[in-house]
Amino acid sequence: DIQMTQSPSSLSASVGDRVTITCRASQNIKTYLNWYQLKPGKAPNLLIYAASSLQSGVPSRFSGSGSGTDFTLTITSLQPEDSATYYCQQSYSTPLFTFGPGTTVRIK
Amino acid sequence: EAQVVESGGNLVKPGGSLRLSCVASGFTFTNAWMSWVRQVPGKGLEWVGRIKSNPDGGTRDYAAPVRGRFAISRDDSKNTLYLQMNSLKMGDTAVYHCTRVFGYGDYGDAFDIWGQGTVVTVSS
Repeated sequence: DIQMTQSPSSLSASVGDRVTITCRASQNIKTYLNWYQLKPGKAPNLLIYAASSLQSGVPSRFSGSGSGTDFTLTITSLQPEDSATYYCQQSYSTPLFTFGPGTTVRIK
Repeated sequence: EAQVVESGGNLVKPGGSLRLSCVASGFTFTNAWMSWVRQVPGKGLEWVGRIKSNPDGGTRDYAAPVRGRFAISRDDSKNTLYLQMNSLKMGDTAVYHCTRVFGYGDYGDAFDIWGQGTVVTVSS
């Protein structure tokens, strides 16, 4: 099975800050990497697919990069509504999908 | 607006059974590949299983922890996806989300439409 790790597990940042979350795969997954945003009591939201493609309707302050085993999700100017938990997910070994453990972003 | 709404979650004893439902609207359900993903308390997201559309063969795949106990089915006439859960264990306690599978590239899959989920609690 492909294992996914994320760092940090949580972070606290101020409105307007640039935030970077890292996701690492246990083997080469090319660019088959997606990012999701989860808020309590709400339906999860797909942010980025194929490592760097912005899902329709997602604000442009979100971006993704990387390939192979190392990936990043960047929020260029953190907004209050970005307080959430972010998960990466690999689909290289489809249909045996696996998610990272999540990164919780809090607003200072 | 494309959306899915889950129902059927409940408190059930270990060894018991439960069937979840997911009603889809705003997109062509007949052609959609669908998945169940669960959110385990304190452990994040876990993929449960996937069903292809009937035009694409209707194949079902499951994660190892639920294989042989859970079964996904669909009724395209009702735009409804089901998850039959048998021999439930305490480790199956989670919020269960219905999702649409969005394919990209050669074999990339993402989950682009999610419901808010339905809560399943397995406890004696």
